[in-house]
Order: sequence, then C-alpha cells, then structure tokens
Amino acid sequence: GAVVSQHPSRVICKSGTSVKIECRSLDFQATTMFWYRQFPKQSLMLMATSNEGSKATYEQGVEKDKFLINHASLTLSTLTVTSAHPEDSSFYICSARNSQDADTQYFGPGTRLTVL
Amino acid sequence: KQEVTQIPAALSVPEGENLVLNCSFTDSAIYNLQWFRQDPGKGLTSLLLIQSSQREQTSGRLNASLDKSSGRSTLYIAASQPGDSATYLCAGRPSGNTPLVFGKGTRLSVIA
Repeated sequence: GAVVSQHPSRVICKSGTSVKIECRSLDFQATTMFWYRQFPKQSLMLMATSNEGSKATYEQGVEKDKFLINHASLTLSTLTVTSAHPEDSSFYICSARNSQDADTQYFGPGTRLTVL
Repeated sequence: KQEVTQIPAALSVPEGENLVLNCSFTDSAIYNLQWFRQDPGKGLTSLLLIQSSQREQTSGRLNASLDKSSGRSTLYIAASQPGDSATYLCAGRPSGNTPLVFGKGTRLSVIA
C-alpha cells in the first residue's frame, strides 16, 4: 500500500521558536496533501490543503502566517509552525492523495509537537 | 458543510462480544466514507473504504455499511478481542475534490 512518512515523529521546542514538519509520499506522487491537527481525545481538524506548486488553502480560523505550508514537489510538503507557543502543542498529521487514485487519502504517522 | 457525528463516544465490552459503532453525516451527497483505527499517540490505520455506490465493505471480522439516504454508516466488529481496543474514527468525503471530514471517534475497550 501507499506509504506516507512524517519527520520528526516527536519534537519539543521552546516558546518563540519555529518548527518544521516534513511529510513525504514514499511510493507515489501526491498532487494534493492535507494537514490536520488533533488535540488530546479530539478528532482530526483540517488545517489546510496544499496543491503542488501553488499556495495552500487554509481552513477558517487557521492563521496562514503562523502555519506556513510549502508543497514544492509531488512527494514533499512541509508545515512550519512559526513563533510557536504552548497552545500550538498538538498532534499534527499529514495526508496525501495519490494522483493515480484520488479516492483514497493516505495518512502519515503524525508528529507530536510540544512547546514549552 | 458536511458534519460527522459518532456515537457512542466510548464503549467497553467483554471479549468475544459482537459490537456496532455508529456514524452519522449531515449531507447525504457523500462521495465516500472511510473508517480508521487510531491507537493512543499513533497515526491512523485505514480499515475500510466505502464508495457512495456501495452499501457495505468487509475485511476479516470487520463489516462497514453505508446508507446514504439516512446519512448513516455502521462499523460491525465480530468476536471482539482485547487487541481491538483503540479509537475508531469515521470520516466522510463530501465530494471527489474535498478532504475527509472526521467524526470525534469512539473509544473502544475490549476487556479480557
């Protein structure tokens, strides 16, 4: 099956620093990738949709200047949390849609961000 | 806007019992629906995907149904095992170009 990786799996940072999370589709091309965040015991909330080579589309209430998304290639999208604060601590999960099989979204293993 | 609701939020059953998890969605014009499993602190494992033209899908002890007219899907787990303990998430896709919309999940505990 299609594999999506995320790096790092876990990161702890100080308040005010920026953190970059990578999402890669390992064995397929993904023209579209999605970024979700999940608070403890809550569901996944869509943050943004990124299409390769164009600007990401952010969901209402998500600050695009705080959560920078880059989708520069068909296998890589990055999410940068800028000037992180403790309230940004969450589980971030990326998802990729196979260009050849748009019916299925494949999910990465998630990144646990803790901001001190 | 598509909204997905899962009931119950938590469920505890003895080992061996058959059980049903419920999912409802507000917009019957759903493109497809997917059930996932999530273990604590982990990512998502896809269990079953049902296209809008299908009524059910089966994989091993799992059976998922889809009733678009009533806006409901169920996940049936037969002969539950302690290893089935996890959170089960239901997610619907409103159309082919849109991402999955998730319910809040049902936290299942199967007691040995």
